[in-house]
Amino acid sequence: EAGVAQSPRYKIIEKRQSVAFWCNPISGHATLYWYQQILGQGPKLLIQFQNNGVVDDSQLPKDRFSAERLKGVDSTLKIQPAKLEDSAVYLCASSLGPRRAAPGQNRDTQYFGPGTRLTVL
Amino acid sequence: GESVGLHLPTLSVQEGDNSIINCAYSNSASDYFIWYKQESGKGPQFIIDIRSNMDKRQGQRVTVLLNKTVKHLSLQIAATQPGDSAVYFCAESGDSSYKLIFGSGTRLLVRP
Repeated sequence: EAGVAQSPRYKIIEKRQSVAFWCNPISGHATLYWYQQILGQGPKLLIQFQNNGVVDDSQLPKDRFSAERLKGVDSTLKIQPAKLEDSAVYLCASSLGPRRAAPGQNRDTQYFGPGTRLTVL
Repeated sequence: GESVGLHLPTLSVQEGDNSIINCAYSNSASDYFIWYKQESGKGPQFIIDIRSNMDKRQGQRVTVLLNKTVKHLSLQIAATQPGDSAVYFCAESGDSSYKLIFGSGTRLLVRP
């Protein structure tokens, strides 16, 4: 089974520029998440989609960050304009959906992609 | 490869020994806990989970212990191998929300 795919793997931009990240979840997964992981910290949820609807975007800095999942499959996360403090790894994760635990697991497990490492200069 | 974290607490163990990684969680209403493993340059990988109605759960070479009284979670890895070297994160969530809150992580180094 193919995992969560993300691109690009690395991106270097200057502050005030724009950047976009792409995520393709595991086939059949209804829920998609974007996380920000600053060096030395655990991932922090930015936004959660259920199919093509937003479930939780309470921690998304909406003045500069936007995300969409128009057809309920792939998703893009955009930053415009970028700030120095946006330097981080952006992780995409997907899961089957609420109340759908895989065999041997207690709840709807999130599977993560490799991430995109963003450096803002 | 890139480093997941430069200033994380580090546990160094000899290959073949058992490892115990600890985590203190913050929300007494959390009822579901997960351990993830993150290798350099990769995303977090699910290891094992446990619900709050249990205090112990075992997997292959791994055991998770939950002490709700002191809000403490631990991950035990038996016969630690070089491939176990990574950063380990605990995460918690509550029944009303599937949102995961991650801890700050512990780096495990396995000495050959």
